[in-house]
Amino acid sequence: DAKTTQPTSMDCAEGRAANLPCNHSTISGNEYVYWYRQIHSQGPQYIIHGLKNNETNEMASLIITEDRKSSTLILPHATLRDTAVYYCSASERSGNTGKLIFGQGTTLQVKP
Amino acid sequence: DTEVTQTPKHLVMGMTNKKSLKCEQHMGHRAMYWYKQKAKKPPELMFVYSYEKLSINESVPSRFSPECPNSSLLNLHLHALQPEDSALYLCASSQGGGFPGELFFGEGSRLTVL
Repeated sequence: DAKTTQPTSMDCAEGRAANLPCNHSTISGNEYVYWYRQIHSQGPQYIIHGLKNNETNEMASLIITEDRKSSTLILPHATLRDTAVYYCSASERSGNTGKLIFGQGTTLQVKP
Repeated sequence: DTEVTQTPKHLVMGMTNKKSLKCEQHMGHRAMYWYKQKAKKPPELMFVYSYEKLSINESVPSRFSPECPNSSLLNLHLHALQPEDSALYLCASSQGGGFPGELFFGEGSRLTVL
């Protein structure tokens, strides 16, 4: 499994875009990039995933570089409720199932 | 129903006890997962079940014994645990058919081993 590296913590002003980077320089061609977040005392929540194209959903956008060695999660208008630990993962199919291995995570603090 | 329900929410046990954690989902998912999370660390994968068969065991000590009695239920049997096994145990499920896709997590069972 590819190892992912993320900054330990970041701050963002409420209403501004939060851009969370992730490096996954050893990612293989079959590995997807996943983002989850975990709000204190809750289970992780899926945000978005992608292979090589940029992706957007109602929560966020995922920008993957052309060489697929890094990606950025964008929360377009951060709110106080977006304060959480954000995990970047690169995961692949394993036999008849798959493995989702979490990175160390970035603690995002959204400030008023 | 998009919930994964875990019971109990809190469990305290001695090192000689036998206890079980339970996980249930009614989303028709065919893959279920156990993760262990220590404080201020990311969740660590323990086991994966696919179509009720164990497909991944991440070299977990035998004092943790998973069981998948049917497609909706996942148990984790605990025996002769150590204090360092104290952690939040998270269950998750996904549609299955191989690739993880979106995992739905429960709130976790917080285990304390005395």
